[in-house]
Amino acid sequence: AQKITQTQPGMFVQEKEAVTLDCTYDTSDPSYGLFWYKQPSSGEMIFLIYQGSYDQQNATEGRYSLNFQKARKSANLVISASQLGDSAMYFCAMREGHRDNYGQNFVFGPGTRLSVLP
Amino acid sequence: DGGITQSPKYLFRKEGQNVTLSCEQNLNHDAMYWYRQDPGQGLRLIYYSQIVNDFQKGDIAEGYSVSREKKESFPLTVTSAQKNPTAFYLCASSITGTGPSSPLHFGNGTRLTVT
Repeated sequence: AQKITQTQPGMFVQEKEAVTLDCTYDTSDPSYGLFWYKQPSSGEMIFLIYQGSYDQQNATEGRYSLNFQKARKSANLVISASQLGDSAMYFCAMREGHRDNYGQNFVFGPGTRLSVLP
Repeated sequence: DGGITQSPKYLFRKEGQNVTLSCEQNLNHDAMYWYRQDPGQGLRLIYYSQIVNDFQKGDIAEGYSVSREKKESFPLTVTSAQKNPTAFYLCASSITGTGPSSPLHFGNGTRLTVT
């Protein structure tokens, strides 16, 4: 079963506008972490933002914020004031807490390709 | 600066040859991982290691082998048994024992082409 779903294969946004990238997840573990990564065309994976399942507030890191709706199992990434350099693949990932000591506990979604238009 | 170094960036091999991808980290992380990424797709786990001299198969381990003789190093060998080895390979590391909050830190990847 797909644990991380990203329903938008591709998204376009105008420079300086905000954009939301969708992510839904599936887990029965009460303790988990949600992560977003950016992958530019050069290939490296850049860690953007983290949200813990017990966190009461939505995470923010500069222009990135995570819209965490626990009951809906949704963890959407919001990028404000888009820049041309934001054009990249974006991956949502989940780490389940109960398997932390056994590895093999990161699950990645298929990704969303964001294109920022000038 | 601490980080993960993967080498080489591009690798070309003939079919039937084994090839070893290097991954070195100086972050003092216990856990290391190898992922495979095919064009337009997400990451799939090949092998991971939580501690020196121990490693476990991931979801797509067939045709691959690893070793973990040092904490800093986790080389991946793509053997001739791997049916479709052409892909982008990413090495990662993370802290262990801190619950689900520790992110993966990635190297810059190795793009392997087998013809």
